[in-house]
Amino acid sequence: ETGVTQSPTHLIKTRGQQVTLRCSSQSGHNTVSWYQQALGQGPQFIFQYYREEENGRGNFPPRFSGLQFPNYSSELNVNALELDDSALYLCASSPGGLANNEQFFGPGTRLTVL
Amino acid sequence: AQTVTQSQPEMSVQEAETVTLSCTYDTSENNYYLFWYKQPPSRQMILVIRQEAYKQQNATENRFSVNFQKAAKSFSLKISDSQLGDTAMYFCAFILRDDKIIFGKGTRLHILP
Repeated sequence: ETGVTQSPTHLIKTRGQQVTLRCSSQSGHNTVSWYQQALGQGPQFIFQYYREEENGRGNFPPRFSGLQFPNYSSELNVNALELDDSALYLCASSPGGLANNEQFFGPGTRLTVL
Repeated sequence: AQTVTQSQPEMSVQEAETVTLSCTYDTSENNYYLFWYKQPPSRQMILVIRQEAYKQQNATENRFSVNFQKAAKSFSLKISDSQLGDTAMYFCAFILRDDKIIFGKGTRLHILP
C-alpha cells in the first residue's frame, strides 16, 4: 500500500504566474485536504475534497482552486501568484471525515514565488 | 473565532526525560476533536494522539499522553522517556464537525543525547 505522494517536490515561480500541485491519495481514501504551511507557522486549511466535490474551504481567495479526480487524486491550482504564496503545500488523505478518520500527510511541495 | 495557542516556540530536554508541551484553544462549540501532530525534520506530518472532547478520560498512546482540561480549554501533551527520534515540530490542532482543522504555530522540540 503506497502512502500519500505529492509532485513536484520543489517549484520556483514568478509573481503573476499560475501553478498546479498534485497529490495522490492513499489507496482506499476518498477525502483529500490541502494545507498551506508558511515558514515557521502551522498548516492552514485551504480546502477539502470528498468524492470529487469541494467539502469545505478555509479563508483563502478564489484564486486558490482545486479538483479531485475519480481515482481520488487531487490538484491544487493557484492563479496570479503573489510573493506571500511562498510556502510548503501539504495534502493529506483520509478514508472519510476527520472526526472519525485519521488523515495521512504527503511530504509536501515547496513553492517559492520570486 | 477558533484559535489554537502553543506558548512554547522551542524546548530542549535530555534523552529519557519527560517533557510536557502546552496547548490552549478557544471555541464556543461543545463537540470537537483535538489532535497532536508531529512533523519531523523530513517534513511528513504524522498523527501522535487524538482526543474526543466528549470523553473525560485522557488519551494515551504508548509514551504519549494528554492532559485534557475542557473547562480550561487546555490540551497538553506529555512525552515520557523521550527518545532522539522524538525531535520534531509538534502541532496542536482541533476540528469541529465541519472538518476545518485549525493548527497552532507549533513547538520545536529538541531531544538532546
